Amino acid sequence: QSALTQPASVSGSPGQSITISCTGTSSDVGGYNFVSWYQQHPGKAPKLMIFEGIERPSGVSNRFSGSKSGNTASLTISGLQAEDEADYYCCSYAGGSTLFGGGTKLTVL
Amino acid sequence: EVLLLESGGGLVQPGGSLRLSCAASRFIFSNYAMSWVRQAPGKGLEWVSASSGSGGDTYYADSVKGRFTISRDNSKNTLYLQMNSLGAEDTALYYCAKGVGYYYKSGGSTFDIWGQGTMVTVSS
Repeated sequence: QSALTQPASVSGSPGQSITISCTGTSSDVGGYNFVSWYQQHPGKAPKLMIFEGIERPSGVSNRFSGSKSGNTASLTISGLQAEDEADYYCCSYAGGSTLFGGGTKLTVL
Repeated sequence: EVLLLESGGGLVQPGGSLRLSCAASRFIFSNYAMSWVRQAPGKGLEWVSASSGSGGDTYYADSVKGRFTISRDNSKNTLYLQMNSLGAEDTALYYCAKGVGYYYKSGGSTFDIWGQGTMVTVSS
């Protein structure tokens, strides 16, 4: 049960777009459609932003989008805003367990 | 608004035990898989354990297998985590999280609602 691989940090200026990658294996990300992404602000509980790889829950801005290719999932945030600065975690079902990525700290410059 | 409220955390000595509870409200608790997810101070999220909607199927991370037991009382809308043989590595904020499906293997590992967490500190 190894964690999924995410970059430790990414940054972008307001209005720009950024993409966070999440690399797993055929036993998790590549093997199932249950990839999700969570946003976590300091001191707060995580918030679901993307599920089933590409779906957005109601109430989540359409600036957030997800994709998946093979064993790698990605989260793209377009039109960066100051409030997007947070930690982001990917998550995947792994056949009887759930794996999280190590988390990516997004800094809005 | 759907709510999850964890309780039962605290300071415990190495080798000790603790039982966490998660009270759910404003949704049909028995219709959804539930999980415990923890976060050590300054670290990332780690899935700990899951239960199907009925409680008949349970799942554990390798790091807690044999030491932790997840259970639920659907008549009380409450999820539990019995933690035994605790070590310093178990020190974390423990979140209760609602899955989007009844079965853990089909949507149960997507978490749409989270509680605020209860802190467990293992120290002598």
